[in-house]
Amino acid sequence: AQSVTQLDSHVSVSEGTPVLLRCNYSSSYSPSLFWYVQHPNKGLQLLLKYTSAATLVKGINGFEAEFKKSETSFHLTKPSAHMSDAAEYFCVVSGVNNNDMRFGAGTRLTVKP
Amino acid sequence: DTAVSQTPKYLVTQMGNDKSIKCEQNLGHDTMYWYKQDSKKFLKIMFSYNNKELIINETVPNRFSPKSPDKAHLNLHINSLELGDSAVYFCASSQGGTANSPLHFGNGTRLTVT
Repeated sequence: AQSVTQLDSHVSVSEGTPVLLRCNYSSSYSPSLFWYVQHPNKGLQLLLKYTSAATLVKGINGFEAEFKKSETSFHLTKPSAHMSDAAEYFCVVSGVNNNDMRFGAGTRLTVKP
Repeated sequence: DTAVSQTPKYLVTQMGNDKSIKCEQNLGHDTMYWYKQDSKKFLKIMFSYNNKELIINETVPNRFSPKSPDKAHLNLHINSLELGDSAVYFCASSQGGTANSPLHFGNGTRLTVT
């Protein structure tokens, strides 16, 4: 079985400062891991995915995430926040197939001017 | 050139009514899904469907039923609506249902049951 925990329900940063959104996972399988972003009144958009290739994954809009098996973590980072990054972010783990996909509770990112 | 489109965007209705939400994808994907997002933003899969198999989350009441006229469409029918059905419903699709197939989501349908 899979599970995912997003360690912060809300993160607030100033524009131009680094972003760190934390995610820990649990999986009985070699997991596939994803980060999705949801802007207000929109659907979820894929930021990046990890599927057992390189442990440092680069995504869209300058985001990246590092898979650390020893820590069972898949934290999302960005060197410099932009106002348009303000949104809800979801960490997702998938097991055998997409029916086993589990979403984290989400982290709301606020970016202050 | 919308990839996954849902209609309507908003749906307000009374308890006991029957309603449908439509979903279409133009990505050529073979697997489609319905997700429910509650007021706390928690996402839960309701159904997944490809041309061979419908998989139903066992916690979904049988008042909810997916209907797929063809590979590009997966509509959601809800009978005898209840207050607790109020949520945002998302349609999604993927190419294959394997674990590393990312989902492409529609913009959601906000259902309010009064």
